[in-house]
Amino acid sequence: LAKTTQPISMDSYEGQEVNITCSHNNIATNDYITWYQQFPSQGPRFIIQGYKTKVTNEVASLFIPADRKSSTLSLPRVSLSDTAVYYCLVGPNYGGATNKLIFGTGTLLAVQP
Amino acid sequence: DGGITQSPKYLFRKEGQNVTLSCEQNLNHDAMYWYRQDPGQGLRLIYYSQIVNDFQKGDIAEGYSVSREKKESFPLTVTSAQKNPTAFYLCASSTPRTGDNTGELFFGEGSRLTVL
Repeated sequence: LAKTTQPISMDSYEGQEVNITCSHNNIATNDYITWYQQFPSQGPRFIIQGYKTKVTNEVASLFIPADRKSSTLSLPRVSLSDTAVYYCLVGPNYGGATNKLIFGTGTLLAVQP
Repeated sequence: DGGITQSPKYLFRKEGQNVTLSCEQNLNHDAMYWYRQDPGQGLRLIYYSQIVNDFQKGDIAEGYSVSREKKESFPLTVTSAQKNPTAFYLCASSTPRTGDNTGELFFGEGSRLTVL
């Protein structure tokens, strides 16, 4: 399965746009890219998923270049409540393959006032 | 509301004791999972079950046991054989990715186990 690399931590201020990039050089043809958010002492929560190009929902945008070897999670105008750990996962999530998804250490985003 | 319920939220155990963590879901998901998270670390898969009466070991199954007698329930027992059981335990469920369904993992609020 594709291994991912993302920054250990990032700092930002309220109102700024935050972009977290994840590298996945050996992504496979049938792999999807999924991002989760985790607050302290809570379970992770699904944010967004994409396969190629750009995906946008009410929370974030996900940019995926044509070679799919990286992806960028974009959080518009962050607030203090966006302080959390963000995980990038790459893999097929059909059938029995969800168990193969690997949660690395993620990116700790700290938003300051 | 649909979701995953884990209990207890906090649990203390003496060394040498087995303890069972409960996980119940009303999302009608076939697949369920148990993860372990240590401070500052990612999640590691303990066991997973794709369907009732079937389950498979994950990456760190030693010292743990599970059962899947009902679709809604996937309890995890932390046995005395687990050398370092103090951790945050997370249960999740999912459905396969089909059509508009992302196949995402839905997590419970977690159970924090402390061994004294």
